[in-house]
Amino acid sequence: DIQMTQSPSSLSASVGDRVTITCRASQSISSYLNWYQQKPGKAPKLLIYVASSLQSGVPSRFSGSGSGTDFTLTISSLQPEDFATYYCQQSYTIPRTFGQGTKVEIK
Amino acid sequence: QITLKESGPTLVKPTQTLTLTCTFSGFSLSTNGVGVGWIRQPPGKALEWLALIYWNDDKRYSPSLKSRFIITKDTSKNQVVLTMTNMDPVDTATYYCAHESSISPRYFDSWGQGTLVTVSS
Repeated sequence: DIQMTQSPSSLSASVGDRVTITCRASQSISSYLNWYQQKPGKAPKLLIYVASSLQSGVPSRFSGSGSGTDFTLTISSLQPEDFATYYCQQSYTIPRTFGQGTKVEIK
Repeated sequence: QITLKESGPTLVKPTQTLTLTCTFSGFSLSTNGVGVGWIRQPPGKALEWLALIYWNDDKRYSPSLKSRFIITKDTSKNQVVLTMTNMDPVDTATYYCAHESSISPRYFDSWGQGTLVTVSS
């Protein structure tokens, strides 16, 4: 199985801050990396697919980059509605695997 | 618009078999490339991928759980069923079904609301 490791596990930030979350795969996954946002009690929501493509309806302050084994999710200016947990997921192969999540909290 | 909804028991006893149904609309599981997956999330923990079934009845499972799972589809009813045998308290989780994009690159673009299953005697 491909292991996905996110860092940090949690972070505190203020509204307006630039936030970066990293995801590392245990082997190369090309660009087959997706990012999801999950709010408490809700299902995950797709933000970014194939590393850098913004899902329809997702604000442009979200962006993704990377290829191979190292990826980042960036929120350019954190908004109140962005406080949530973020997960990366590889779709390079089966089994599909998720990172352990990064919780973004209010500072 | 794609929608999915999970249904099934909220409480099962250890060693029992759990059957969850995902009922969906807005797409057909007979369309080339389409897949439906199951993902679970124990309380306060991360997402864990469980299984996928594709339009051509190709079935894929998490290797660590494969022996306990069966995933099936009923195309005429727009349903996917996940059966899990020998349930244990560690299987307590919210179970989600999700639509996987029909062409590469693959991603889960629509999710059900999830159903919380508690395993307890």
